[in-house]
Amino acid sequence: DIQMTQSPSTLSASVGDSVTITCRASQSIDNWLAWYQQKPGKAPKLLIYKTSSLESGVPSRFSGSGSGTEFTLTISSLQPDDFATYYCQQYSTWEKGFGQGTKVEIK
Amino acid sequence: EVQLAESGGGLVKPGGSLRLSCAASGFTFSSYGMNWVRQAPGKGLEWVASISSRSNYIYYEDSLKGRFTISRDNAKNSVFLQMNSLRAEDTAVYYCAREGDFGVVIINPFDRWGQGTLVTVSS
Repeated sequence: DIQMTQSPSTLSASVGDSVTITCRASQSIDNWLAWYQQKPGKAPKLLIYKTSSLESGVPSRFSGSGSGTEFTLTISSLQPDDFATYYCQQYSTWEKGFGQGTKVEIK
Repeated sequence: EVQLAESGGGLVKPGGSLRLSCAASGFTFSSYGMNWVRQAPGKGLEWVASISSRSNYIYYEDSLKGRFTISRDNAKNSVFLQMNSLRAEDTAVYYCAREGDFGVVIINPFDRWGQGTLVTVSS
């Protein structure tokens, strides 16, 4: 199975900061990568699919990039609503594994 | 409005069985692949199983093969997860999730999720 590794595990930032989360795949997944946001006690929410395509209704301060094995999620100008845990997911195979998550917390 | 509602969770003893259900509404259920994803307390997301729209493709996380079975009933707009020989490490919130329709690709990420149902395996 393809392993997904995110870094960092935790990220402390302030409102207005730009933050970047990295996701690495153990083998090439082309651009079949998605990003989700999850808040405590809630189901995950799809933010980005196919590496850089924004899901409908997601603010444009979220952006994704990468290809092959290395990907990033960038949140420009962090807003109070953005403090949450973020997960990457590969879907180049039927076994659609997730990264271990990155918690974005208030500094 | 798309809705997914899981049910069937609860407390079960080690070695026991449980069947989770997910009732879908607000979309043409028979046109979408469905998945189960779980999240142990305080941990990350773990993909559990996938079933294609017509049940012709079914996949499981390797460590769960043989114990968990995913199925669906398109006439009842429902997807199920039969869980047998349950262990303490299966304790988690179980989410059903719909695979989105993002073009001609066969495999898609999950664009709609249920609220989850808690399964606790403990004696």
